Amino acid sequence: EAGVVQSPRYKIIEKKQPVAFWCNPISGHNTLYWYRQNLGQGPELLIRYENEEAVDDSQLPKDRFSAERLKGVDSTLKIQPAELGDSAVYLCASSLSAGLSYEQYFGPGTRLTVT
Amino acid sequence: SQQGEEDPQALSIQEGENATMNCSYKTSINNLQWYRQNSGRGLVHLILIRSNEREKHSGRLRVTLDTSKKSSSLLITASRAADTASYFCATDSRGGSNYKLTFGKGTLLTVNP
Repeated sequence: EAGVVQSPRYKIIEKKQPVAFWCNPISGHNTLYWYRQNLGQGPELLIRYENEEAVDDSQLPKDRFSAERLKGVDSTLKIQPAELGDSAVYLCASSLSAGLSYEQYFGPGTRLTVT
Repeated sequence: SQQGEEDPQALSIQEGENATMNCSYKTSINNLQWYRQNSGRGLVHLILIRSNEREKHSGRLRVTLDTSKKSSSLLITASRAADTASYFCATDSRGGSNYKLTFGKGTLLTVNP
C-alpha cells in the first residue's frame, strides 16, 4: 500500500514569491492534516480536513496561507507571498478518522527554504 | 503552543543498551502517542496509550502513562543503531468537536554501534 505522497520534496524560493505543496493521502483516509515543523521542534498543526471540509484551520495564518482539498482526496497548501520565517518542513498526514484518535500516517514532507 | 515536553532533549547510548525518554504534559488527555522521525523523513507512529491504560508493550518498546503526574515514558530495550532518530510524544486533547494532536519538541536519540 502506498503511503502519503508529497511533492516537491525540496523547494527554495525568494521571499515574496508564491509556493505550493501537494499531498496525496492514503487511499480511504478521510482525514487529512497539514503540519509545519520548524528546526528542532515538533510538528504544529496548520489545518485539518474531514473529507473536503476544513474543520480546524485556527492555526493557519490566513493572510498568506491557503489550502484546499478538492473532492476530498488530494490537497494543496499555498503560501503567497512567502516570508523568511516560513522556512520549515511542511508535513502532510492522513488518518482513517479523527473521531476515534486513529494513528496518523505522515508523508516525507517538503523542506521549504525562503531566501 | 506545544503541550508535551520530552526529556532529555538528546540522549546518546551504545548499541544493546536501553533508552528511556520521558514526556510531560499540562492538560488532561484522551490518549498519548509516540512517534519516531528519522533524519529528513516524516514521522512514524510507534504506539498509542489511552488515558485509562498504565502500560503498553510493542516489540522492544514499552510505554507507561501516569495521568496523576501527567507524564509518560518510552523505553526502548536492546537498542540498535537503526533506532537512531528523534522521538516525539503527542497528546490528544479534545474540546467539543475539535480534535487536536499536539507534539512535543522531541528527544534526539543516538545509538552508537
